Amino acid sequence: QQQVKQSPQSLIVQKGGISIINCAYENTAFDYFPWYQQFPGKGPALLIAIRPDVSEKKEGRFTISFNKSAKQFSLHIMDSQPGDSATYFCAAYSGAGSYQLTFGKGTKLSVIP
Amino acid sequence: DVKVTQSSRYLVKRTGEKVFLECVQDMDHENMFWYRQDPGLGLRLIYFSYDVKMKEKGDIPEGYSVSREKKERFSLILESASTNQTSMYLCASSFRYRKETQYFGPGTRLLVL
Repeated sequence: QQQVKQSPQSLIVQKGGISIINCAYENTAFDYFPWYQQFPGKGPALLIAIRPDVSEKKEGRFTISFNKSAKQFSLHIMDSQPGDSATYFCAAYSGAGSYQLTFGKGTKLSVIP
Repeated sequence: DVKVTQSSRYLVKRTGEKVFLECVQDMDHENMFWYRQDPGLGLRLIYFSYDVKMKEKGDIPEGYSVSREKKERFSLILESASTNQTSMYLCASSFRYRKETQYFGPGTRLLVL
């Protein structure tokens, strides 16, 4: 079964620090890698996404780093704020006929003042 | 803004009851999805639909069925609810050719007693 492995399960970061969440995948047919952010009581919302033709994508304080050869990608949250406290899911998608996003198991981020 | 709504935020049912979860999207999306979210397991796809009256099984379809009679509405049916179906249920939708970009509803938290 296709898998996306996400770590860590939980993360506590001081306000102003850098939060880093890592994901690894096996299927080389994956060609789209989104990150979703989910606040308590809400559905996941697309945060940022990357395709494997670039090694990095930045949107504000959020950056995805992508290492195609290692089959790994990570989310970096710079200057982490208490409002960033949420669960983050990485995911992977293959355009080769599948409708499925394959999700990691999630990382619960807590940013403490 | 894309809006995906789910009929109930919280639902309590008895074992053996037939349960209907409703999802409506207002963006004329062709694709609709039902996921189940459990702690430590991430999001798992139950069923998806790429058109009216069309459906495909996801990773965990056992014990569930779906109905899509109108483009904007996708229903998840638990024919005979069991305690192991206690979970958060998330509906999502996407455009036909943007399958990778899915928009989620707020979720229905179902408790089966």
